Amino acid sequence: DAGVTQSPTHLIKTRGQQVTLRCSPKSGHDTVSWYQQALGQGPQFIFQYYEEEERQRGNFPDRFSGHQFPNYSSELNVNALLLGDSALYLCASSLVSGAMGTEAFFGQGTRLTVV
Amino acid sequence: AQSVTQLGSHVSVSEGALVLLRCNYSSSVPPYLFWYVQYPNQGLQLLLKYTTGATLVKGINGFEAEFKKSETSFHLTKPSAHMSDAAEYFCAVSDSDSWGKLQFGAGTQVVVTP
Repeated sequence: DAGVTQSPTHLIKTRGQQVTLRCSPKSGHDTVSWYQQALGQGPQFIFQYYEEEERQRGNFPDRFSGHQFPNYSSELNVNALLLGDSALYLCASSLVSGAMGTEAFFGQGTRLTVV
Repeated sequence: AQSVTQLGSHVSVSEGALVLLRCNYSSSVPPYLFWYVQYPNQGLQLLLKYTTGATLVKGINGFEAEFKKSETSFHLTKPSAHMSDAAEYFCAVSDSDSWGKLQFGAGTQVVVTP
């Protein structure tokens, strides 16, 4: 079991550009959540996808959007990048249809640097 | 609304000494509580979780935590620190209404000295 995989691992973008990050969930999981972790801070919830729909959203602007595919993998898109978007982006997968409180498994993250 | 407060952004412990990391939460519904560990340049790994039942929860690597509803706390302990415990630790809260959405604390960096 490969666990949660994210790509790329590192990325450097210029302010104003757009970026797409990718996540493949742990085998058997049906839900993907995305978090932003700024340097020295705890992860902040961006949004969650289940059954190819955004189910919940945190306090992030519309520049942040996502998608979930039929195979449960997911993408996070950020438009009009700002310097403040520089962070570690974490993907977590879980099984919503299972027991409540099911553990969320995290990927290694994508380190995005905006210059 | 949920929130998590971790007391102490940095903790230094001697190898072999007790590790105690403090976490207080607020939640309008019965919470699910988690402790995660993050090693440098890595993702988060679950140490332990509380959902229902026994309030003393044992996790991996010798860690345990106790859910105290009256104190709204979920402190993490390990009787004897090891050098490999040096990492950042995050407390997180979720609830049955949030489909697994986690609210994290700011984290506590643990340094272990020989």
